[in-house]
Amino acid sequence: ILNVEQSPQSLHVQEGDSTNFTCSFPSSNFYALHWYRWETAKSPEALFVMTLNGDEKKKGRISATLNTKEGYSYLYIKGSQPEDSATYLCAFPRHSNDYKLSFGAGTTVTVRA
Amino acid sequence: GAVVSQHPSWVICKSGTSVKIECRSLDFQATTMFWYRQFPKQSLMLMATSNEGSKATYEQGVEKDKFLINHASLTLSTLTVTSAHPEDSSFYICSARRRLAGNTGELFFGEGSRLTVL
Repeated sequence: ILNVEQSPQSLHVQEGDSTNFTCSFPSSNFYALHWYRWETAKSPEALFVMTLNGDEKKKGRISATLNTKEGYSYLYIKGSQPEDSATYLCAFPRHSNDYKLSFGAGTTVTVRA
Repeated sequence: GAVVSQHPSWVICKSGTSVKIECRSLDFQATTMFWYRQFPKQSLMLMATSNEGSKATYEQGVEKDKFLINHASLTLSTLTVTSAHPEDSSFYICSARRRLAGNTGELFFGEGSRLTVL
């Protein structure tokens, strides 16, 4: 089982402030990195699937970067809003032809109005 | 977007009884579904992979006789916790991938089921 580490475990952000957090994964045998957002009482939803070193993806105020050589990805939230409050999960396929993902424990973001 | 529905959301049962959890893909065909378990403050742990028309493959340490998985159609997988005991109390969640999606294809999740065994 591959270790996918996320930090911090939780963070509190004032509305309007920007924040970021990290997903670390083994840099050898990289295939893809997934980010999911999981709001309370809802289903986790895919944000990004990233495959290329240096890749940067954006969806609204949320963006992510990927460094496959050093094994990390950052997720950024710009101008946080209360609706951004959620747990953000990253996940990593274990093999190239394996659709099974190893998940991090998540970073729980709470945006205070 | 693709929708996966999971039922029940909450279930409380007596020790020794069996509980069935359903996972349905509502608007797409899912040849593969995944079942996870989550303990408090921990990551989603893959229990088993459910393949339509064939036997499920279980992760190391997961008892296949305890956690029965059936994937009878392209839109339905079920997880049955047999002879449940308090240590089986946990949060169970399913996900599905579209047909022909590679490992860069996103997963679509159900809402999860909270099982409490008394």
